[in-house]
Amino acid sequence: DTAVSQTPKYLVTQMGNDKSIKCEQNLGHDTMYWYKQDSKKFLKIMFSYNNKELIINETVPNRFSPKSPDKAHLNLHINSLELGDSAVYFCASSHPPQVTEAFFGQGTRLTVV
Amino acid sequence: ILNVEQSPQSLHVQEGDSTNFTCSFPSSNFYALHWYRWETAKSPEALFVMTLNGDEKKKGRISATLNTKEGYSYLYIKGSQPEDSATYLCAPRNQAGTALIFGKGTTLSVSS
Repeated sequence: DTAVSQTPKYLVTQMGNDKSIKCEQNLGHDTMYWYKQDSKKFLKIMFSYNNKELIINETVPNRFSPKSPDKAHLNLHINSLELGDSAVYFCASSHPPQVTEAFFGQGTRLTVV
Repeated sequence: ILNVEQSPQSLHVQEGDSTNFTCSFPSSNFYALHWYRWETAKSPEALFVMTLNGDEKKKGRISATLNTKEGYSYLYIKGSQPEDSATYLCAPRNQAGTALIFGKGTTLSVSS
């Protein structure tokens, strides 16, 4: 049973489209995150979200928005996709304030053509 | 955003070699330090979570130490194997409840 699952695993879409990536965790964690693996293969935080607070990395364009229908899900919506949005996006969850590790999904490779 | 430095950026060793790399972070307001292992085409997996100055953790041939006063952690791999090839990420936390802010990682390549 996968702890953190993302769908789809691969997404190819045209510039200008709006798309979503879904993330679900069955760990009972109350905080979820979205990370982007950039062109240099570095892992950068995009959003941190629990039912009380959304923390946005200020470098993330406002075309990106997280949506959480419930505690177990944090979906990533991207409007007006651009070529530069092509990357691998990782969802993760953890359970602060406990000092435990974050668990990552398998990643979604987004290709904008 | 915490300033995290990892060195070296990449490393190539022969099977059987022991190796180590460094994670440097601000020592003020330290809360915890995480080490992750990230294989190509996979997702990052947690290795260690360390909180106390002088902490030493071990998992098989991999171990880590922590110095919160001077702001660094070392990761050691004893007798490297090809399956150890991966990028090793560290992420310090300066308070509970914050997201992990990763360093750029050290990419280890072990050849047989």
